[in-house]
Amino acid sequence: GAVVSQHPSRVICKSGTSVKIECRSLDFQATTMFWYRQFPKQSLMLMATSNEGSKATYEQGVEKDKFLINHASLTLSTLTVTSAHPEDSSFYICSAITRGLSGTSGYNEQFFGPGTRLTVL
Amino acid sequence: AQSVTQLGSHVSVSEGALVLLRCNYSSSVPPYLFWYVQYPNQGLQLLLKYTTGATLVKGINGFEAEFKKSETSFHLTKPSAHMSDAAEYFCAVSGVTGGGNKLTFGTGTQLKVEL
Repeated sequence: GAVVSQHPSRVICKSGTSVKIECRSLDFQATTMFWYRQFPKQSLMLMATSNEGSKATYEQGVEKDKFLINHASLTLSTLTVTSAHPEDSSFYICSAITRGLSGTSGYNEQFFGPGTRLTVL
Repeated sequence: AQSVTQLGSHVSVSEGALVLLRCNYSSSVPPYLFWYVQYPNQGLQLLLKYTTGATLVKGINGFEAEFKKSETSFHLTKPSAHMSDAAEYFCAVSGVTGGGNKLTFGTGTQLKVEL
């Protein structure tokens, strides 16, 4: 259980175009989804936190008008990179928290998607 | 505020040797600590986690880690390395905050296993 998928797994686009990445929780309802980006040989950096039915919360330094996040349902969040440029090329990973499974520890485990490799030419 | 420091961006061991990947954390609240593994062009897989209770945590694939509050450490070990263990390993910290369990990752350690 607790599987998260991402689509597409790889995308190549021209500079100036917009790209949409989907993150789906396949077998559970996700109250919250997170979006990360990872540059080559580097760690994951949190971009934003997405809660179903409300506006995403962006981390400092992340342009909300460039990285549009929509969490329209409990199983789907989308990240749209608008007017993409080569410096946006990166590995984008989402994660999801299960609903109502806080356990005795009070912590809701994040389940990660397989990632999307974006290359902007 | 929370942070994680992973000592050694690259670690190389022989197959069958002990694996030790170091992680030190800083947290203003009681931490939850995690180790994840990432294979090339893939997402993260949880190896193990410490939330509460026993400080020695056993995970998948023979890995374990010990939470040492006095040393603010959460080092990852495996008694005998296997070729399939070669991957990138990330230590992460989280605390129960209004931010909904956000994770802060270390910079990662690339583990190489040699014959």
